[in-house]
Amino acid sequence: GENVEQHPSTLSVQEGDSAVIKCTYSDSASNYFPWYKQELGKGPQLIIDIRSNVGEKKDQRIAVTLNKTAKHFSLHITETQPEDSAVYFCAIIQGAQKLVFGQGTRLTINP
Amino acid sequence: SAVISQKPSRDICQRGTSLTIQCQVDSQVTMMFWYRQQPGQSLTLIATANQGSEATYESGFVIDKFPISRPNLTFSTLTVSNMSPEDSSIYLCSVGGAGGQETQYFGPGTRLLVL
Repeated sequence: GENVEQHPSTLSVQEGDSAVIKCTYSDSASNYFPWYKQELGKGPQLIIDIRSNVGEKKDQRIAVTLNKTAKHFSLHITETQPEDSAVYFCAIIQGAQKLVFGQGTRLTINP
Repeated sequence: SAVISQKPSRDICQRGTSLTIQCQVDSQVTMMFWYRQQPGQSLTLIATANQGSEATYESGFVIDKFPISRPNLTFSTLTVSNMSPEDSSIYLCSVGGAGGQETQYFGPGTRLLVL
């Protein structure tokens, strides 16, 4: 089946610095790429998504970039804050509706 | 996005028993999904809950183990049958959003521990 590789598995950055998480995939038919944030004890929260007809999308401190040729997409968080600490998951859409998730990245923001 | 609730939020169960998890949405949605998240792991789709017909299961998941109901456009249940410790996981429902068929929003999850 479809495979999504997510790196790094853990990431620790100083407050105010930037964090970047990258995902690669193999299915060239994928055209929808969401990112979720999961805080302890909660369900995943959709934070940003991108479709294959654009290369970049930004929402305040969060941005996602997509390189369809190379089959990878990345989450960028700037000016990190302690509340950004969470587990982040990338995903791709397989077929019409099935989300296939990466392995997750545990992001820790150090004050 | 829709407001999604799940019951129970957590439970501790004995092996061999069954637990039914409820998912309620505050608006009518076409697509509802059930996922499993094993401890410290990522999310895996169990099945798509289809209103008015049988659920569509992913490879590795079967109806006898995870029966699903979808009686209307705002509600679904997932039963974990004949539980074993390996079934200890977070079970999450999600719904398709109005923003596009691909977009999915998740409930808070049900944390299940099987002893």
